[in-house]
Amino acid sequence: GESVGLHLPTLSVQEGDNSIINCAYSNSASDYFIWYKQESGKGPQFIIDIRSNMDKRQGQRVTVLLNKTVKHLSLQIAATQPGDSAVYFCAEKSGGFKTIFGAGTRLFVKA
Amino acid sequence: GAGVSQSPRYKVAKRGQDVALRCDPISGHVSLFWYQQALGQGPEFLTYFQNEAQLDKSGLPSDRFFAERPEGSVSTLKIQRTQQEDSAVYLCASSPYTGPENTEAFFGQGTRLTVV
Repeated sequence: GESVGLHLPTLSVQEGDNSIINCAYSNSASDYFIWYKQESGKGPQFIIDIRSNMDKRQGQRVTVLLNKTVKHLSLQIAATQPGDSAVYFCAEKSGGFKTIFGAGTRLFVKA
Repeated sequence: GAGVSQSPRYKVAKRGQDVALRCDPISGHVSLFWYQQALGQGPEFLTYFQNEAQLDKSGLPSDRFFAERPEGSVSTLKIQRTQQEDSAVYLCASSPYTGPENTEAFFGQGTRLTVV
């Protein structure tokens, strides 16, 4: 069935280091994979997406990698800042209207 | 502000009460979504509107949940005879686009519903 899950519930990194958040998925028919950031008390905020026929996509300080062979998705954040502290969700869409979210990884940035 | 606005921010309801949650999407946004987010979990899809048409309501947990968007702008999510398991944050999101390539949605801050 459809599911999007995360390897680690919590990630702690030093300010200035790079962060890597991982995600596994099971639906091979997904068209898009998406990363959202959610700060405490706020709604999720779109970060970046990647189409299923791509392997890599870069944004501002973020890179998403897609490995379809092992059904793995990752979000890399360069030079992590205190403002990056939040819960990060991977999500997927497979042609319909709904976006299916995983459970989330909490990122702590240590000063 | 020009973001998605939800009201109330917090709602406490006694079990069995009916509640109505309001969403004001970004002006001109065609697509509107409702999600339910339990504590410590990711959002779960409830329903989708394209303008005033409810095109997908497959995520509504029971017939106690009802959503409408009569004029294609403001939307209301109504929960009848609330139960404790309805306690969650209800998120509304809007988007100017439609179709499967529509991946970016703009979320409101949510309404935290607590049923006691």
